[in-house]
Parts: sequence; C-alpha cells; structure tokens
Amino acid sequence: DVKVTQSSRYLVKRTGEKVFLECVQDMDHENMFWYRQDPGLGLRLIYFSYDVKMKEKGDIPEGYSVSREKKERFSLILESASTNQTSMYLCASSSRKAGGLAFGELFFGEGSRLTVL
Amino acid sequence: GQQVMQIPQYQHVQEGEDFTTYCNSSTTLSNIQWYKQRPGGHPVFLIQLVKSGEVKKQKRLTFQFGEAKKNSSLHITATQTTDVGTYFCAGEVDSSYKLIFGSGTRLLVRP
Repeated sequence: DVKVTQSSRYLVKRTGEKVFLECVQDMDHENMFWYRQDPGLGLRLIYFSYDVKMKEKGDIPEGYSVSREKKERFSLILESASTNQTSMYLCASSSRKAGGLAFGELFFGEGSRLTVL
Repeated sequence: GQQVMQIPQYQHVQEGEDFTTYCNSSTTLSNIQWYKQRPGGHPVFLIQLVKSGEVKKQKRLTFQFGEAKKNSSLHITATQTTDVGTYFCAGEVDSSYKLIFGSGTRLLVRP
C-alpha cells in the first residue's frame, strides 16, 4: 500500500513563527504536492514538485516555500506564519504516467491542521 | 487563471434518490480525476477519465467526460448512507503540469 505520511496532525503556532510541515512517501513517486483545504474553497495548490530539487508554484504560493532534497520527502515552509494561514494542509504524491499524462492518481496524507494564533 | 467550477456546493438527498455533481473548466483538460473525501478523512481517488466522451461505471457510480474535454459529471444511482462525503473533481490542464481541484460537492444522505 502506498503511504504518505505527514509529520504532524495538529499544530498550534504563533504569528511570526517559522513552521515546517514534513511529508514522506514510500512509493518512489516522482510528483509531490502541497494543498491547503478551506471550507467552501476546496483544495488549492500551493506548490508541487515533479523531481528532486524541482518545484513549481501552484495557485497560492505567497507566504510559502518548499524543499525537496530527496525524492521521498517534500517539505512546506511558512517563513513567518500569519493567522490567514490557519488551515488544513494536505500533502499528496503521484507517479508520472505514460501517454502524455503528467499525473497518475494522487495519494493523500492524513493532513496537518495548523492553527496560527 | 485556470479554474474548475463544481456544482452544486451541497446536496441533501433521501436514501435511495439519485445524485449528480458537475464540473466545468474554463480551459481544455487533458484528463479529469474524481475523489471522495469522507468526513474527517482525506481525499481518496475514485477514477480518472482521459478520452473525449468517455463514460465509466463503478457499481452505482457513473462518470462522464465531455466531448470538448471541458466538463465532467459524477452520477450516483440510489444513494446509500455510505455515499456521504465530499466529492471533488480535479482537472489536469493541457500541457501545464497542473492539477486543479474543483471546490467539491458535499453529499448528505437521509436514512
């Protein structure tokens, strides 16, 4: 079974703190993603990575950065947390499919619920 | 920017009734995926549609991909309480290496 593991299920941080969210997958997937999920807004893509050290901005990258030093690990960094970053953060991974499709099915982690006070 | 719109936002049905959720994209999609998220859980993959006009079935679930590859639908026949959750579509925009999720349709089923 594919497993995507997120380091923390719940975090509470203060405004201005640096926050690290870690994600590890065990299926040698090329693609990894960070989404945030807010009620009524669905899943919004923050960043994705299609290979080690490669990253692409998603729809809402402002206030976030990412790191992918190893294929299995994709980290999301909030340099200076703000209250509007209170959200559920979901990491996902997928293989790269053949036939011109960039993405196979996404496997999601359990999510990290971040509260910024 | 590219968007994938999904309607309705909520649907509350009596058990045994049918349910449909629709996705529409402003741009052509190379493929579309559907996910289900149970309350308190994470999204779980249901299916991927690739071909124009494609129709796929999984038991009581029927998935369609439009001829123009800009819209898709998920239809559930005779809903059951186990169908409760939020259903998301996710479209891969042509040549963009981006997978964009719709806002989801939350299904509630009255027993």
